[in-house]
Amino acid sequence: DAGVTQSPTHLIKTRGQQVTLRCSPKSGHDTVSWYQQALGQGPQFIFQYYEEEERQRGNFPDRFSGHQFPNYSSELNVNALLLGDSALYLCASSLRGHFLHFGNGTRLTVT
Amino acid sequence: EDQVTQSPEALRLQEGESSSLNCSYTVSGLRGLFWYRQDPGKGPEFLFTLYSAGEEKEKERLKATLTKKESFLHITAPKPEDSATYLCAVLEGGSQGNLIFGKGTKLSVKP
Repeated sequence: DAGVTQSPTHLIKTRGQQVTLRCSPKSGHDTVSWYQQALGQGPQFIFQYYEEEERQRGNFPDRFSGHQFPNYSSELNVNALLLGDSALYLCASSLRGHFLHFGNGTRLTVT
Repeated sequence: EDQVTQSPEALRLQEGESSSLNCSYTVSGLRGLFWYRQDPGKGPEFLFTLYSAGEEKEKERLKATLTKKESFLHITAPKPEDSATYLCAVLEGGSQGNLIFGKGTKLSVKP
């Protein structure tokens, strides 16, 4: 049974560029949440998608946007990248609840 | 003000030397408290969920307890493979599933 899978694993972008990160939830899960984890910090909630709608959003600017597809997979888009956006981006899935299963993340470096 | 505070930030133990990690929280209407383990370059791995004061959960050398203000993760006779960062997270009342994480405790167990 495949767990949460994320792609790519690593990414290097330049300031001002745009990036798209992808996530496939654990089989049977319908809710996807995205978290940002800076070095030495705990994960911070970006947003959550359920039934293709953004259900809840954390304290992140509109440069961060997302999408959920009918097959429950999800994308995280970040526009106008800043150096401070460098972090590990984690996707977590659950079945209509908060019992989160995390992927191994995408390490984004902005230069 | 941090809603979830973990201490200590780092802990170095000798193999077999038992100790405890602390997680204190100030959220209202706690719906659940979660412990995760995170290895370098990986996503958080679920360990325990606690829902009410007085509850305890055990798994191998780990035991988690919960009071109205804090949780402890007790590690009995640790082994080098227990070395990791241990994250605590809380789910607030009224939340749709947004976990609030602490910064974690980095545990190193030397043989």
